Amino acid sequence: AQSVAQPEDQVNVAEGNPLTVKCTYSVSGNPYLFWYVQYPNRGLQFLLKYITGDNLVKGSYGFEAEFNKSQTSFHLKKPSALVSDSALYFCAVRPSSGNTPLVFGKGTRLSVIA
Amino acid sequence: DSGVTQTPKHLITATGQRVTLRCSPRSGDLSVYWYQQSLDQGLQFLIQYYNGEERAKGNILERFSAQQFPDLHSELNLSSLELGDSALYFCASSVRADNTEAFFGQGTRLTVV
Repeated sequence: AQSVAQPEDQVNVAEGNPLTVKCTYSVSGNPYLFWYVQYPNRGLQFLLKYITGDNLVKGSYGFEAEFNKSQTSFHLKKPSALVSDSALYFCAVRPSSGNTPLVFGKGTRLSVIA
Repeated sequence: DSGVTQTPKHLITATGQRVTLRCSPRSGDLSVYWYQQSLDQGLQFLIQYYNGEERAKGNILERFSAQQFPDLHSELNLSSLELGDSALYFCASSVRADNTEAFFGQGTRLTVV
């Protein structure tokens, strides 16, 4: 069965600094990987996905993520954090074959301090 | 706005009661997914429907059931409610059944008292 680990419950970063939110996964076969963001009292918003191809994936709001197969990781990054990036971030995975629903990590709360 | 509509936004009910949560998917999306988000369990997949048929089942309790209607909207029925059922329930939809990109509604916050 697939699983996702987000090792940090909370990440604090100063505005303007680069940010990284970590995600590692376990899946049979090749993975499809996703990042979603949840703002207070809102649903999850899709940020980006890795399906195949280039290991560096660019998404919404200046976010990007790097797929590293050997380390089974898919860390979310942004070169310069904004206060408005403060939210709950979820990594999700599913195998590339079959119809298996997304499995989500427990989420990482990002706090960007002005 | 994702295009996925969930009603009601908030629901407060007593233990033992039954409630129905409703989801209207994005126009053109055939697949609907239900997730439960609680503080201790995170985001848990409950069930998926595709074009009216059940497609996949996750950690859904026997007290819970769902269906997708011909107009593609979906309902999640929760019965014999317990305090532990208090959570945020999300619906998501996607065009295909393979869930490569799902769009989430804003959720229904259920409080069982």
